[in-house]
This record gives sequence, structure tokens and C-alpha cells, in this order.
Amino acid sequence: QQQVKQSPQSLIVQKGGISIINCAYENTAFDYFPWYQQFPGKGPALLIAIRPDVSEKKEGRFTISFNKSAKQFSLHIMDSQPGDSATYFCAAYNFNKFYFGSGTKLNVKP
Amino acid sequence: DAMVIQNPRYQVTQFGKPVTLSCSQTLNHNVMYWYQQKSSQAPKLLFHYYDKDFNNEADTPDNFQSRRPNTSFCFLDIRSPGLGDAAMYLCATSGRDRNGEQFFGPGTRLTVL
Repeated sequence: QQQVKQSPQSLIVQKGGISIINCAYENTAFDYFPWYQQFPGKGPALLIAIRPDVSEKKEGRFTISFNKSAKQFSLHIMDSQPGDSATYFCAAYNFNKFYFGSGTKLNVKP
Repeated sequence: DAMVIQNPRYQVTQFGKPVTLSCSQTLNHNVMYWYQQKSSQAPKLLFHYYDKDFNNEADTPDNFQSRRPNTSFCFLDIRSPGLGDAAMYLCATSGRDRNGEQFFGPGTRLTVL
């Protein structure tokens, strides 16, 4: 059973637009929710993360919105740029294990 | 800079020929992970070490083994690689006091001929 569900599978956004990727989870014991950015042929890199005691975290153009009651969290990329084109994975963490979403391939058109 | 290093970056092996991938870290993190990632898929956890304690995932094939001789190094041994084992293998670390923050290495791309 997939512990973290991610959507959409792929996303095309025009330069300057907002990219939104959504994730949902079931296990209320998860206590840390990171987002990773991965370029082809590279390892995932931590982009931004949130803990369940806050509803929003912003770092530059990247924002996580967290809804604890709905067990959902999302990544918003403001002013999307072609350099943001990559695959994004959400994850949830508990007891030294990370559970990954299935990934979203983002393509930002110039 | 503190980091997670994987060697080699690219490994080609023959069907059934044992192969060892290595990972080292300068972060002094106590938790080390090995993931398998196939094209367009999420990383799949194979096993992880919490200090010296080895934790195997239930669906990790017996063909995959791991060693952690000290805090800094961790090895992934594939005893008899099959064509289905061709993938990117990612090593990652997490620290006791960082409660979840995980750092990935660049990965080793394994090709099985």
C-alpha cells in the first residue's frame, strides 16, 4: 500500500507561472515532510521541508502548504523558471524511514 | 564541504557477476540508507543502518547485501546481478540530531549486460 500519494504525474507550466504539486498521506505518525528536487542523472536534493506543527513554510519562490486535518501537503513554485524543470518527490518521515510519493515531472516552458 | 560520496558513478557488470558499490560520508551521520531508483520511479528503500543496527526491507531480494564497517562507509553488494537490477543506486544519510533531514549522494548508475 502506497503510504504517500502524489499528483499530478506530470505538469507543464509557462515561465512565470505557478507550479502546484499535491501529496496526501494516511499515517498520522509521520512527523516530517520534505520535498526533493531531482535532475536527470543526479541524486535527489532536499528542496524544502515542513513539520506538522506549522501550516506553511516559505523559502524564496518555494512554499509548502500543510493541512494536518486533511492529511495533505503541497508544494507551490512561484514565478516558475525553465531551470526548475525537474522531477519533484514529496516524502513523509517516521522512525528513520522515508516514504516517497511517486514523483511529478515538471516542465517549465520558456 | 561535508558530503555523501558514491563510487563508482557508473558501473557496468555482466549478468551474474558480483558487484560492490560504495558510499562514504563526511557528515558523521548515524543513519545510512541504500535506495534503488529505476527510470521515472521514486527511490525504493532497500535497507538502512541506524548506527550498526541493520534494517532490511521485507521486499528487498536476498541478492542484495550490505556492510557498514564504520560510521563513514557503507557498501552495497549485489551477489548475482540480473537484468532487472539495472538501476540508479542512491546512498543517503541522516543525523541523529537532525530528525529527518536526509542527504543524498549523486548515485551509481548500474548497467547489467
